[in-house]
Amino acid sequence: KNEVEQSPQNLTAQEGEFITINCSYSVGISALHWLQQHPGGGIVSLFMLSSGKKKHGRLIATINIQEKHSSLHITASHPRDSAVYICAVPWGNEKLTFGTGTRLTIIP
Amino acid sequence: NAGVTQTPKFQVLKTGQSMTLQCAQDMNHEYMSWYRQDPGMGLRLIHYSVGAGITDQGEVPNGYNVSRSTTEDFPLRLLSAAPSQTSVYFCASGKGDNNSPLHFGNGTRLTVT
Repeated sequence: KNEVEQSPQNLTAQEGEFITINCSYSVGISALHWLQQHPGGGIVSLFMLSSGKKKHGRLIATINIQEKHSSLHITASHPRDSAVYICAVPWGNEKLTFGTGTRLTIIP
Repeated sequence: NAGVTQTPKFQVLKTGQSMTLQCAQDMNHEYMSWYRQDPGMGLRLIHYSVGAGITDQGEVPNGYNVSRSTTEDFPLRLLSAAPSQTSVYFCASGKGDNNSPLHFGNGTRLTVT
């Protein structure tokens, strides 16, 4: 099974700050998922990436396959970005292993 | 499209009772899965299905049954609820490969007393 570690577990920042959340995994993968869990509990998929970088609005995800590491960045953070961010990696066929998440709080 | 619909949103059971958590998707996804989310732990896979008539166990299958009679529906059954099954349950669907995003339901918060 692929082991996934996220850091930090909790992150509090002021509005406008640049945010970085990290994800490391133990076994080589084909793609990595970044998910966002809203305070109300719903989970949405943000990115899937297998190499390089992807950008969607103020969110940027990068992955280094050789180092087995991915980062999620948020530029010009806003209170509405407050959520739990989760990375997940494949384990066997049709299975994902999830990190425990990073709880992000953006203070106005 | 409604996406992935989970019902109920909340449920309280007594130990030994049975119930079924419903999950339906309208995106014609072959892959459907059930996860439980507990404090301090990542989402853990209970059961999954890669198409109608096909199911398989995930990481924590004990105490749960599933079936997949149609592409749209993937119910999760608790035959005899235990306090250890108190958790938040999520259903998800996808195209069935590791390069496609998963679509999650809104979750079911289950308490077993």
